[in-house]
Amino acid sequence: ETGVTQSPTHLIKTRGQQVTLRCSSQSGHNTVSWYQQALGQGPQFIFQYYREEENGRGNFPPRFSGLQFPNYSSELNVNALELDDSALYLCASSSHHDLAGLPDTQYFGPGTRLTVL
Amino acid sequence: AQSVAQPEDQVNVAEGNPLTVKCTYSVSGNPYLFWYVQYPNRGLQFLLKYITGDNLVKGSYGFEAEFNKSQTSFHLKKPSALVSDSALYFCAVRDSFTGGFKTIFGAGTRLFVKA
Repeated sequence: ETGVTQSPTHLIKTRGQQVTLRCSSQSGHNTVSWYQQALGQGPQFIFQYYREEENGRGNFPPRFSGLQFPNYSSELNVNALELDDSALYLCASSSHHDLAGLPDTQYFGPGTRLTVL
Repeated sequence: AQSVAQPEDQVNVAEGNPLTVKCTYSVSGNPYLFWYVQYPNRGLQFLLKYITGDNLVKGSYGFEAEFNKSQTSFHLKKPSALVSDSALYFCAVRDSFTGGFKTIFGAGTRLFVKA
């Protein structure tokens, strides 16, 4: 187990609603990344948070937003839910860089399964 | 733009035989390469990574991968497969040219190890 936790485990929403997913990073990690994994596909990068600011973003619309808190935990918010938002949402924590200044390994939580009806 | 290809949707191998799961990549800068494994209803587990240094990387559970710059490949290997290795395997790349923060995953390869 990685020490990265996510809540809730499962969630069912209807189209047009809003949802908030939560992630607690592994001890010692200051960076959180969020991914969307649709059924039968690889994870797609949504965005990354470092020092409470968005550090980079993938090809997702602005209705996908996030927050990082001083304890490095993070939230993913999705507004105006669409049917295609149904997926497993994965959170990954890491240090921003390793001791050599290179990208550090990301460790993933178990995910939140979101179903939009 | 960075991309990852896993050309095989599924790999079948008998227990005790060597296994290979293929991955090729495309980046603008230096590649940072990763392999993850996913079991049903679980998140991704880190297996190994190549950042710099030796082209042969050893990871968890007896897995290894070889970085081949000329062929832009990073194939995952194990000398002797176990039934418990059956899972979904993802190759991923981060590009130094874009700051290395964005991880691109392949579509995944399902490995079946038959007893």
